[in-house]
Amino acid sequence: DQQVKQNSPSLSVQEGRISILNCDYTNSMFDYFLWYKKYPAEGPTFLISISSIKDKNEDGRFTVFLNKSAKHLSLHIVPSQPGDSAVYFCAATRTGTASKLTFGTGTRLQVTL
Amino acid sequence: DAGITQSPRHKVTETGTPVTLRCHQTENHRYMYWYRQDPGHGLRLIHYSYGVKDTDKGEVSDGYSVSRSKTEDFLLTLESATSSQTSVYFCAVQGAFGTDTQYFGPGTRLTVL
Repeated sequence: DQQVKQNSPSLSVQEGRISILNCDYTNSMFDYFLWYKKYPAEGPTFLISISSIKDKNEDGRFTVFLNKSAKHLSLHIVPSQPGDSAVYFCAATRTGTASKLTFGTGTRLQVTL
Repeated sequence: DAGITQSPRHKVTETGTPVTLRCHQTENHRYMYWYRQDPGHGLRLIHYSYGVKDTDKGEVSDGYSVSRSKTEDFLLTLESATSSQTSVYFCAVQGAFGTDTQYFGPGTRLTVL
């Protein structure tokens, strides 16, 4: 049972435009959500996170939105740059459970010139 | 960079042989984790440790054991490797105490023939 789902395996966006990556979860006990970026042959790199007490968190070009009623979160990248081309993983956890993360299957973002 | 190194970075072995992967960290993180990454599954938690000699199972622990005799080292052992354990293995540490953000090492690519 996939508790965290990323239904779009890939996404292509033009440089300068907005990239929107989506993530859905089924476990209502999750209360902390994270996005990681992964380049080939490297480990995942932490991008941004959000607690369930918020509905938005922003860090530079990256904004994460959380819709608890829909059990949905999204990552917005504005403006998209060629260096953003990578695989993006959504992850979720329940606070106080040793920070065990449950990951989605990833979305491959390609930013074209 | 959370001061995490993994060794070896690449390994090819044969079915039935024992394999040990090492994760080393230099920043005295209490919590450490082992994940595997496979196509279509994202990253899945194998085992984690919450202190020296304190470990627990994750989602996909069958066929794996771990040990942590020192704060800085977390070992993952495949007692008798199988082809289904061909994967990329990532070690991670919890960030600042009380946060749920994890930081990942560069990974070990393991091939079991």
